[in-house]
Amino acid sequence: DAGVIQSPRHEVTEMGQEVTLRCKPISGHNSLFWYRQTMMRGLELLIYFNNNVPIDDSGMPEDRFSAKMPNASFSTLKIQPSEPRDSAVYFCASSHRNYGYTFGSGTRLTVV
Amino acid sequence: KNEVEQSPQNLTAQEGEFITINCSYSVGISALHWLQQHPGGGIVSLFMLSSGKKKHGRLIATINIQEKHSSLHITASHPRDSAVYICAVHSGNQFYFGTGTSLTVIP
Repeated sequence: DAGVIQSPRHEVTEMGQEVTLRCKPISGHNSLFWYRQTMMRGLELLIYFNNNVPIDDSGMPEDRFSAKMPNASFSTLKIQPSEPRDSAVYFCASSHRNYGYTFGSGTRLTVV
Repeated sequence: KNEVEQSPQNLTAQEGEFITINCSYSVGISALHWLQQHPGGGIVSLFMLSSGKKKHGRLIATINIQEKHSSLHITASHPRDSAVYICAVHSGNQFYFGTGTSLTVIP
């Protein structure tokens, strides 16, 4: 199993541009999580899905952030328009019921 | 107020020492997680606990639901254990994270 696959690994974009981060969870996992990590705030949960349905998006910072999970094998996190304060590492993780999580390698986003 | 508190924030140990990292939380939980983040940035889920104790290799995690406290122990520590260890709790639909314990194991 290739694990949780995130793309891109690194993204540098200009303020105001749209950014799309992608995640492929582990096959068979029914929960998917998007996290953000910054030096100032540490790890934060943005949103999570169970069986492709968003369960809690209270961690999504603003309307500029949106996440979708059109099927069990793919999810996107979109920021539009991006701002410098969105610069962070964004992690995707998946899990199955009572088993632990598997994290992706993260996407390091820099908005200039 | 943080829902999850970890201690210590930083820890330096000699190779071979027994290490304990503590996590206290203030909310009702369905599960508690211990995560490990290496200097390269990758995050690994070490344990998910809802009661009792789990062991994996040199790592042991315990949880006391009544006291709202969990500990992560590392026996015979090794330099490759150097990482940030993060406690996280699942409470309802919310996840709360500790600020992490930075562990350095010196050869």
